[in-house]
Amino acid sequence: DSGVTQTPKHLITATGQRVTLRCSPRSGDLSVYWYQQSLDQGLQFLIHYYNGEERAKGNILERFSAQQFPDLHSELNLSSLELGDSALYFCASTPGLTGTEKLFFGSGTQLSVL
Amino acid sequence: AQTVTQSQPEMSVQEAETVTLSCTYDTSESDYYLFWYKQPPSRQMILVIRQEAYKQQNATENRFSVNFQKAAKSFSLKISDSQLGDAAMYFCAYRSGRGSTLGRLYFGRGTQLTVWP
Repeated sequence: DSGVTQTPKHLITATGQRVTLRCSPRSGDLSVYWYQQSLDQGLQFLIHYYNGEERAKGNILERFSAQQFPDLHSELNLSSLELGDSALYFCASTPGLTGTEKLFFGSGTQLSVL
Repeated sequence: AQTVTQSQPEMSVQEAETVTLSCTYDTSESDYYLFWYKQPPSRQMILVIRQEAYKQQNATENRFSVNFQKAAKSFSLKISDSQLGDAAMYFCAYRSGRGSTLGRLYFGRGTQLTVWP
């Protein structure tokens, strides 16, 4: 168990809908990263939050947004969903910002858009 | 941008034998880290081994070791005495040690490892 909790584990929805994925980092970790894993694109970095602030953006669509709350949990919001958004969404956490830190991954949320 | 290339989409090995998975990367940075992650059917991302670019000594974790060739930008993973539980997708990943992309992982496309009994 990595200590990172993602809910829900599975999500099935329809095109055009909006969903929210939740991530609770390990206790004390201030950094949260979101990744998308799909057959077409592989594993891609979406966004990074540190202590409530956005630190870096990757290949995140404008239809997607995220935030990190004061209790450090993070949510990834996906709207106007398309078939191509079907993927496994991971979050990972680290204590801070140094490159030496190990990333701890959650077990992911499998999103299926029908 | 940094790129990570895994040229072997699939590999197979007999139980108890040794297998090597290849990875190359492209970067202009001097401070970085390299990783191998394992993703079994459960889909959990599990860190197998990590290498700091400033260390010349190759990292080793039990049956897993790497061959880090910095000049060639090569980072291969050797699995010795392969076990059925090693069957998984293996991802090579790069992480910068500083700068605006700090902490972000760049992944290769993965190598699916099959272990035959």
